[in-house]
Amino acid sequence: SQKIEQNSEALNIQEGKTATLTCNYTNYSPAYLQWYRQDPGRGPVFLLLIRENEKEKRKERLKVTFDTTLKQSLFHITASQPADSATYLCALLHGSSNTGKLIFGQGTTLQVKP
Amino acid sequence: DTGVSQNPRHKITKRGQNVTFRCDPISEHNRLYWYRQTLGQGPEFLTYFQNEAQLEKSRLLSDRFSAERPKGSFSTLEIQRTEQGDSAMYLCASSLEVAQPQHFGDGTRLSIL
Repeated sequence: SQKIEQNSEALNIQEGKTATLTCNYTNYSPAYLQWYRQDPGRGPVFLLLIRENEKEKRKERLKVTFDTTLKQSLFHITASQPADSATYLCALLHGSSNTGKLIFGQGTTLQVKP
Repeated sequence: DTGVSQNPRHKITKRGQNVTFRCDPISEHNRLYWYRQTLGQGPEFLTYFQNEAQLEKSRLLSDRFSAERPKGSFSTLEIQRTEQGDSAMYLCASSLEVAQPQHFGDGTRLSIL
């Protein structure tokens, strides 16, 4: 069956450290993968998009990697701050989709402690 | 504010009542999506519009659900004869192209008493 999985346990780290979140998928051939941030009671906010032919993407303190062999994406936040505390969602677009509908993981909650 | 707007933000209703939600996408976006999100889960796709045409519906969208996007602008999602299991956050998103990020509204939280 098709699955997209993120670590359901909350990730607690100390301010200034690097947070690494994992997204694994099975039985999909994603054309690309996106990462979103979601705060309580709010809609998801887009962060980064990485395509199937890209290995790595960066934006300021954020970095995403995409390994289509391992069927895994890693999302890194360097020099983390308490303001980075939120739930982070990965979402993929299946390669055969022409509608753009996204398949989301369940999200990982990150807590950055001062 | 030129983001995606959803109304109402919260809706509390009794089981069996009908409810309607509205989504105003970013004006130049021709693609519009509805998702449903329950606590502790990621959003699940419900339906997709390209302009005014509804081109895909999830099996999650039972016959009690109907969505429209007249004139390819705002969209409405109606749930008839609401059930307890309909309690969720209903999210709307829009985008310009398939390979572009989706911009989400802050959702309508539906609570069924």
